Amino acid sequence: QAVLTQPSSLSASPGASASLTCTLPSGINVGSFRIFWYRQKPGSPPQFLLRYKSDSDKQLGSGVPSRFSGSKDASANAGILLISGLQSDDEADYYCMIWQSSASVFGGGTKLTVL
Amino acid sequence: QVQLQESGPGLVKPSETLSLTCNVSGYSIFTGYYWGWVRQPPGKGLEWLGSIFLTGNTYYNPSLKNRVSISVDTSKNYFSLELTAVTAADTAIYYCARQLPRDAFDVWGQGTLITVFS
Repeated sequence: QAVLTQPSSLSASPGASASLTCTLPSGINVGSFRIFWYRQKPGSPPQFLLRYKSDSDKQLGSGVPSRFSGSKDASANAGILLISGLQSDDEADYYCMIWQSSASVFGGGTKLTVL
Repeated sequence: QVQLQESGPGLVKPSETLSLTCNVSGYSIFTGYYWGWVRQPPGKGLEWLGSIFLTGNTYYNPSLKNRVSISVDTSKNYFSLELTAVTAADTAIYYCARQLPRDAFDVWGQGTLITVFS
């Protein structure tokens, strides 16, 4: 089963943009997968943010604002969640996920601090 | 509006079997979608346990495959999780969620805390 690597923490300023990465292990091509992103605030269940495979295969979750977007860095074999116009309310844990070999696999999560 | 609600014992003793149910309202589990379980140990990340499709096909986390079982109730609108031989490492918040086929979990329950405690 794949291990998805996410930085444990990231800090950014209000109004700025934050780029959260989800790196797939070598031997598993990020281009082949839909990357799913979730946000989890303390005491709440995860919330589905978006799905991204390519610019022609992407979808925002219900009610998710367009300042959340996805992309990929093929050279790094990574999926990326980009959050623009950061707000204090974006401070949360963010998880990536893929569906691989009939299994769902989560990354370890990134704690985003907005300060 | 689709809503999911977990129910369970709260406390389980080591070596016992944990049984949880997820009641689904606002949507028939036999209409489509996968239905899955995800857990989160205190202060840690998310771990997928398994998912079931309306046909009864099941998919399990390989690391737990011999201990976990998911089923649907054919007469009522809920699905269940059983986890055998629990240890302290199984202490976690357990979430049930609706899953698009081979895709994202788009609707989640609020979660239920299960503590393995002797």
